Amino acid sequence: AQTVTQSQPEMSVQEAETVTLSCTYDTSESDYYLFWYKQPPSRQMILVIRQEAYKQQNATENRFSVNFQKAAKSFSLKISDSQLGDAAMYFCAFGAQKLVFGQGTRLTINP
Amino acid sequence: EAGVAQSPRYKIIEKRQSVAFWCNPISGHATLYWYQQILGQGPKLLIQFQNNGVVDDSQLPKDRFSAERLKGVDSTLKIQPAKLEDSAVYLCASTLSGPFSYEQYFGPGTRLTVT
Repeated sequence: AQTVTQSQPEMSVQEAETVTLSCTYDTSESDYYLFWYKQPPSRQMILVIRQEAYKQQNATENRFSVNFQKAAKSFSLKISDSQLGDAAMYFCAFGAQKLVFGQGTRLTINP
Repeated sequence: EAGVAQSPRYKIIEKRQSVAFWCNPISGHATLYWYQQILGQGPKLLIQFQNNGVVDDSQLPKDRFSAERLKGVDSTLKIQPAKLEDSAVYLCASTLSGPFSYEQYFGPGTRLTVT
């Protein structure tokens, strides 16, 4: 069974600074996807970034980038130039036959 | 493009009562998912439909939970009878084609409180 672990229940960062959220996973699958989702207080899950496991190049979406280490089964999210609107719960998710989510990291942005 | 619609947004019931949630996925999306998100946890998949057929319901408590997707479009999730531990947010999501591909689009969820 696949498992996803987010070891940081809460993180905080000063506005305009950079923060990294950690995620590790366990699987025997060779073909899969990894995702970071954002969930603001409105509860709507929003896709932040996606990584295909077969791609060696790390995915980047504007201020969001990942550090994907397949051998270490690690998938961290880096948010650059943090903005107040980035405050939310962030969930790492592993996807092969279905999506398996981590426990989440609550990110606070300090003005 | 309209997003995934869910209703109601909030529901409060007493234990042993029944409740139903409704989901309308994005038009043309063949795959539909129901998740349960208990406070402080990540979403957990309850059931996955491909058109109107069930792909995965291994984590659905079938003694009290049921779901259907008539005509491969709208879906309803029912709990009967409800227990206190069913208090959670129930999220519906859909994807263009499946059983698994790319981005899942989520609805706003239904927050259920069982007293």
